[in-house]
Amino acid sequence: EAQVTQNPRYLITVTGKKLTVTCSQNMNHEYMSWYRQDPGLGLRQIYYSMNVEVTDKGDVPEGYKVSRKEKRNFPLILESPSPNQTSLYFCASRTLGTTNEKLFFGSGTQLSVL
Amino acid sequence: GIQVEQSPPDLILQEGANSTLRCNFSDSVNNLQWFHQNPWGQLINLFYIPSGTKQNGRLSATTVATERYSLLYISSSQTTDSGVYFCAVGYDQAGTALIFGKGTTLSVSS
Repeated sequence: EAQVTQNPRYLITVTGKKLTVTCSQNMNHEYMSWYRQDPGLGLRQIYYSMNVEVTDKGDVPEGYKVSRKEKRNFPLILESPSPNQTSLYFCASRTLGTTNEKLFFGSGTQLSVL
Repeated sequence: GIQVEQSPPDLILQEGANSTLRCNFSDSVNNLQWFHQNPWGQLINLFYIPSGTKQNGRLSATTVATERYSLLYISSSQTTDSGVYFCAVGYDQAGTALIFGKGTTLSVSS
């Protein structure tokens, strides 16, 4: 089954404790991206990647890191989480260079930073 | 940057009613998609529709790119249609920078 898999689904942590949210897709998509969703603000892009070893900042990259060492994986890293990073996070992927560029989302990760 | 406005912000319907959701955008786009976020938080892609009209069952969408708006039609609504509907637009060549509207929250009651 074609899917984008995020883990964990829920995460509670404390300020300053490094964490990683994993994202994996099995559709051989070139493009992957991370979004955060906050009440009243909709979804905002954090980082995206067009291919292996190619990453770029989205609208709200501060406090986040990403890496793309393999095509299927795109982990989101919070080196020193802060309470303002409490949010619902989504990973997404799609193919590039076609006319039907639907974006596929993972199930989301609800992060709480205390 | 490009602005995306969705209306109405909230919509309450009885099962069986029809509805129209609107998405206005402030500049030319080469990518427009509609998403449904169900009450469990899952985001499902409904349409990729930078221009023209598409239909999928009870849902259809029309984008008039020259007038910078898109409409999502839901006919004979069901309780399972409840959730938040997002419009997202992309303006760069590769369509990498999708900008999301704030969404329309739809509640369908039986």
